[in-house]
Amino acid sequence: QVQLQESGPGLVKPSETLSLTCPVSGGSISDYYWSWIRQPPGKGLEWIGYIFYNGNTNYNPSLKSRVTISLDTSKNQFSLKLSSVTAADTAVYYCARVIVAGNIDSWGQGTLVTVSS
Amino acid sequence: SYVVTQPPSVSVAPGKTATISCGGSHIGGKSVHWYQQKPGQAPVLVISYDNDRPSGIPERFSGSNSGNTATLTISRVEAGDEADYYCQVWDSNIDIGIFGGGSKLTVL
Repeated sequence: QVQLQESGPGLVKPSETLSLTCPVSGGSISDYYWSWIRQPPGKGLEWIGYIFYNGNTNYNPSLKSRVTISLDTSKNQFSLKLSSVTAADTAVYYCARVIVAGNIDSWGQGTLVTVSS
Repeated sequence: SYVVTQPPSVSVAPGKTATISCGGSHIGGKSVHWYQQKPGQAPVLVISYDNDRPSGIPERFSGSNSGNTATLTISRVEAGDEADYYCQVWDSNIDIGIFGGGSKLTVL
């Protein structure tokens, strides 16, 4: 049973870069899309993007100019960087394992990131 | 990008059947997945690929998908089913997942 756990700062200042990491334990990093999904307080889910085990990435067009997702196979973890954040980026951020072009079969517990000075 | 639409809220009495719709253009040609999310928790997959139940999900949960509407059906609704439910498809044009806006199921 794969386990995912988001880690990173819970508070980020406006205009700075949000950085989160998600170690993957209990499973291989191969053959899946490793994704980041977010949920603003009281609102719905938004897919940020994914990275495939071969390093290929794809991002939500609405965030593409500010997002970078990377993979460290030596540490079995993947990461999210979101630049130039504003209060609108305040959300619970989830890392997740995705069946290729399909459903999410494993989620992290989520971490709240607040953008505020 | 592809748009999927859900009703914001659905109410049902205990023991009755709840249906939650997920609308989209020719959604019947896509695979639809459903997640249950309770307050303060990560979503949980309850139906994948239109009507497959993951291990541990009660048989009371079922799904269908045809034309422009996919449907999640919860039979013999219990108080513990009260949650937000999200449908999700893969938008092959932009190669990313798309969620519906979510439906809050209230058990009366």
